[in-house]
Amino acid sequence: KQEVTQIPAALSVPEGENLVLNCSFTDSAIYNLQWFRQDPGKGLTSLLLIQSSQREQTSGRLNASLDKSSGRSTLYIAASQPGDSATYLCAVITGGGNKLTFGTGTQLKVEL
Amino acid sequence: GEEVAQTPKHLVRGEGQKAKLYCAPIKGHSYVFWYQQVLKNEFKFLISFQNENVFDETGMPKERFSAKCLPNSPCSLEIQATKLEDSAVYFCASSQYYGTGGNQPQHFGDGTRLSIL
Repeated sequence: KQEVTQIPAALSVPEGENLVLNCSFTDSAIYNLQWFRQDPGKGLTSLLLIQSSQREQTSGRLNASLDKSSGRSTLYIAASQPGDSATYLCAVITGGGNKLTFGTGTQLKVEL
Repeated sequence: GEEVAQTPKHLVRGEGQKAKLYCAPIKGHSYVFWYQQVLKNEFKFLISFQNENVFDETGMPKERFSAKCLPNSPCSLEIQATKLEDSAVYFCASSQYYGTGGNQPQHFGDGTRLSIL
């Protein structure tokens, strides 16, 4: 059974800092990995999707990497801003289906 | 539409009553998913559809829960005889989907918060 863990569970940083969020999964036979952010009371906003054959994806100040063999992904946020404050979730698709298995989330707070 | 639209935003039901949630996927997306968020970051997959056909229902409780995606209608998730433990936020997502495992991202609605009293 796939299990997805995110470290740290919570993170508080000053504005402008570069930061890294970690995601690990137990079954390396994934098809893709998706990073989301969730604002309080809101749904999930898709940030980046990495296919299993890819090593990284970039969008603006966000860069996600994938090391499938070691079961890890990182989300790098450059020059953090207060508007980046949210819960960040990684999720993987494993096996023959297309359902997402979610990580435990990292609650990020970027302070002025 | 360009967004996944879920209605209602909030739904309150007494224990034992029926609850019905609706989801309009993004136009052109052929896959629809339902997830349940019980605790803050615990998401549980319930069911997925390929157009109007059930694709994967391994997460659906055998009793009380049912779902449909009919042509030209919003998809729906219905819970019969609700229990206190059904209180959660129910999210719908949709995607275009090519190939095994899915090459396209899933896009989520804002969810329906179901409160069972």
